This record gives sequence, structure tokens and C-alpha cells, in this order.
Amino acid sequence: ILNVEQSPQSLHVQEGDSTNFTCSFPSSNFYALHWYRWETAKSPEALFVMTLNGDEKKKGRISATLNTKEGYSYLYIKGSQPEDSATYLCAPLGSARQLTFGSGTQLTVLP
Amino acid sequence: DARVTQTPRHKVTEMGQEVTMRCQPILGHNTVFWYRQTMMQGLELLAYFRNRAPLDDSGMPKDRFSAEMPDATLATLKIQPSEPRDSAVYFCASGIQGRGPTNEKLFFGSGTQLSVL
Repeated sequence: ILNVEQSPQSLHVQEGDSTNFTCSFPSSNFYALHWYRWETAKSPEALFVMTLNGDEKKKGRISATLNTKEGYSYLYIKGSQPEDSATYLCAPLGSARQLTFGSGTQLTVLP
Repeated sequence: DARVTQTPRHKVTEMGQEVTMRCQPILGHNTVFWYRQTMMQGLELLAYFRNRAPLDDSGMPKDRFSAEMPDATLATLKIQPSEPRDSAVYFCASGIQGRGPTNEKLFFGSGTQLSVL
């Protein structure tokens, strides 16, 4: 099981602010990196699956970058909206192909 | 609209009773994962199946927990006997492996909220 660290643990921003958070993971045995969005009282939903060093994915105002050599990924949200409030989970996929989730970054966007 | 179905949604039971949680993965998916949501560890992996074969259950307390896939449309997670510390939300997720990593995202069920009194 991989050791995954996400920071910060929680974050409060004002509507319209841009924000970012970090996922750190062991760079050895890397296969892919997943990001999930988990709204309160719902189930996690996949945002991105990233595999290549230097990869960048974008979905609307949310984007993510990946550095496999140093073992980190950043998630960016541009112009945060209250509906972006959720817990954002990252999960590296190791060589055994099971997803190990970080504890997440809980984002609250204040109107 | 394909989705992972978990039953029951809620379960309240007394300590010592057997609990069975069921999961119907999305048709055509070949992997099933069981996770437990905890305050301390977020989503904790309990068990993982590929093509119905158990690949990893190292996160599961073996003395009381068991996970099986009797067929491709059903995965079960059993706790016997249940204890109050087992109270949590249990999620099942399914996915596809073998078509490239970008196709391997997981689809989660709505979870079973278990309360052991």
C-alpha cells in the first residue's frame, strides 16, 4: 500500500478566488495518478486519470499537473464557486493496480 | 445510466450479529474494490477483486471480515461477528483494467452506512 499525503487538510476560500492543493506519493512503482471529487453525502467521482510525467489535464475551471519523477501532483481551481466545495482525493495507482487514497483536501468556498 | 448498486443503504445492528453488504458492479467492469470511510484514514482499502479473483485483502481484519464474488454481478462483504468499531460507511467501486490506465477510473456506489450498537 502506497503512502499518500495531501495538503492542506482543509481550505476555506472566498468565491472567485483561485486555489491549489498538493498530492505527494512515492515515485517508484508508479502506474497512474487519479483525482476524485467527493461531495458531502455523495460518492467520490473521478476527475482525472494521469499517467505521463508533465501531463496536464483540464476540466472546466479545474486542472491538474503531474510530476512522476519527484512524486507530486497539483490540482488547481480557477475562480472557485460554492459548488466546488467538496473533498478532493488523490490516489496513486501502484504496480499492483490497486488505488490507495489520500486523506483528501476539504475545500469550502464561501459565497 | 450505468451505476454501481449497493445494498442496503443503511444497516443498524447489534454487536455480535452478522452483517452482509452487497454490491452489483457496472456490467462489463472486471474489477471490484471495497473501501471503508473512516475519520482517521479517509478511504481505507479493504479488498480488491479482478475478474472475480481476490487480489488483495490485506487491509481487511481477517478474523471477522470476508469478501467474495460469487459471480460477476455480485460482490459481498461480510462481518461476523460485528463490533461497534466496525461502524462506518462501506463503499464498493468497480472499474475496468486492461484497456490502458486512462480507462481505469473507479465508479463508486452510494455506500452502506453501518451502525453497530
